[in-house]
Amino acid sequence: GESVGLHLPTLSVQEGDNSIINCAYSNSASDYFIWYKQESGKGPQFIIDIRSNMDKRQGQRVTVLLNKTVKHLSLQIAATQPGDSAVYFCAESRNNNDMRFGAGTRLTVKP
Amino acid sequence: ETGVTQTPRHLVMGMTNKKSLKCEQHLGHNAMYWYKQSAKKPLELMFVYSLEERVENNSVPSRFSPECPNSSHLFLHLHTLQPEDSALYLCASSQMGGTGELFFGEGSRLTVL
Repeated sequence: GESVGLHLPTLSVQEGDNSIINCAYSNSASDYFIWYKQESGKGPQFIIDIRSNMDKRQGQRVTVLLNKTVKHLSLQIAATQPGDSAVYFCAESRNNNDMRFGAGTRLTVKP
Repeated sequence: ETGVTQTPRHLVMGMTNKKSLKCEQHLGHNAMYWYKQSAKKPLELMFVYSLEERVENNSVPSRFSPECPNSSHLFLHLHTLQPEDSALYLCASSQMGGTGELFFGEGSRLTVL
């Protein structure tokens, strides 16, 4: 079946370095994608989103890249800080319905 | 209060108990959701309510019973649960016809003994 998944379950980076978290999706009909951040003991929080008519979107220190050809989504975090340590989920939906989530990548930032 | 509020944050119950989880959203949204989050698994959608009508039930066992009395409140009634039901239960809300973004609560951590 179609699914949303992440390439790596864990990622460890040095403070100040850039982080790249990847996500693969298989539903070519998905038209909306979101990255969520979940800190320990908290619910997922919206980071950034992108629609399928775009291939890049930038926020504050974060950039989402969408490659529809290979069905790949990535989240780039610039100058990673200790507060960025969390689990990151990608999610996909079609027509604003049926949002499905990947398993998550745990990002650890080393001081 | 703002956002999505869930109570209780932690719950321990025996397999024969009856308990309820509560969710309240203060965002004016018209859709609410229950998700189950288990270790190392993707978020599992359990129920969706849109305009207070249940629009999705993802093959959830009947020991979980949702209730949506109005667009701001959502309950999950729990009865005769199993230890494998121990998980973080997340409530979310969204605006149907909007961007599709889900706004999550902090979750209720359930432990079934």
